Amino acid sequence: QKEVEQDPGPLSVPEGAIVSLNCTYSNSAFQYFMWYRQYSRKGPELLMYTYSSGNKEDGRFTAQVDKSSKYISLFIRDSQPSDSATYLCAIKNYGQNFVFGPGTRLSVLP
Amino acid sequence: DTGVSQDPRHKITKRGQNVTFRCDPISEHNRLYWYRQTLGQGPEFLTYFQNEAQLEKSRLLSDRFSAERPKGSFSTLEIQRTEQGDSAMYLCASNFLLAGGPQETQYFGPGTRLLVL
Repeated sequence: QKEVEQDPGPLSVPEGAIVSLNCTYSNSAFQYFMWYRQYSRKGPELLMYTYSSGNKEDGRFTAQVDKSSKYISLFIRDSQPSDSATYLCAIKNYGQNFVFGPGTRLSVLP
Repeated sequence: DTGVSQDPRHKITKRGQNVTFRCDPISEHNRLYWYRQTLGQGPEFLTYFQNEAQLEKSRLLSDRFSAERPKGSFSTLEIQRTEQGDSAMYLCASNFLLAGGPQETQYFGPGTRLLVL
């Protein structure tokens, strides 16, 4: 079993839709959870960073962590064509390195 | 531009040649990371530095790969005797870690795309 898993997509939604992106992980010791957005042929760009379980909101983005289920989510409200990108989750434990999921490719259609 | 920069952005080389990539991190960041990313995959950790010390290397990093950060600022990643399997995006990231402080996230550069023919 891979440490971090994501549905690779592609996920296509109409403009204005609510998007739900998810990751599952296997190591219950992970404490830090991040979401990155990566446009084609660019480096990943940090979107959200959370520590421990719960929700964190930033504009149209909400990150949710459920440590009991080892499941993290990113919700995008009022999705825009400019949100079309690959979304990577990254997880780590203190003192260890980041482990990235394979990414979910999202297309928001105008 | 105060972000992480990488040079070159693209590199095409023939199998067996040596290549070197450079990363300039965000100036106050003491940690610098190298990753490799292939199509359809997330970044895979290769190595990281705290200041000038190389603290960890992944088992993915064969002996053909070497990285340096001589003055604790910029870093170079060299691949000797390149193979077609080395074709990938090489990403650099940096952050600032306080001793005993909480782990912070990291900020990526635009990457160097390597194609080995």
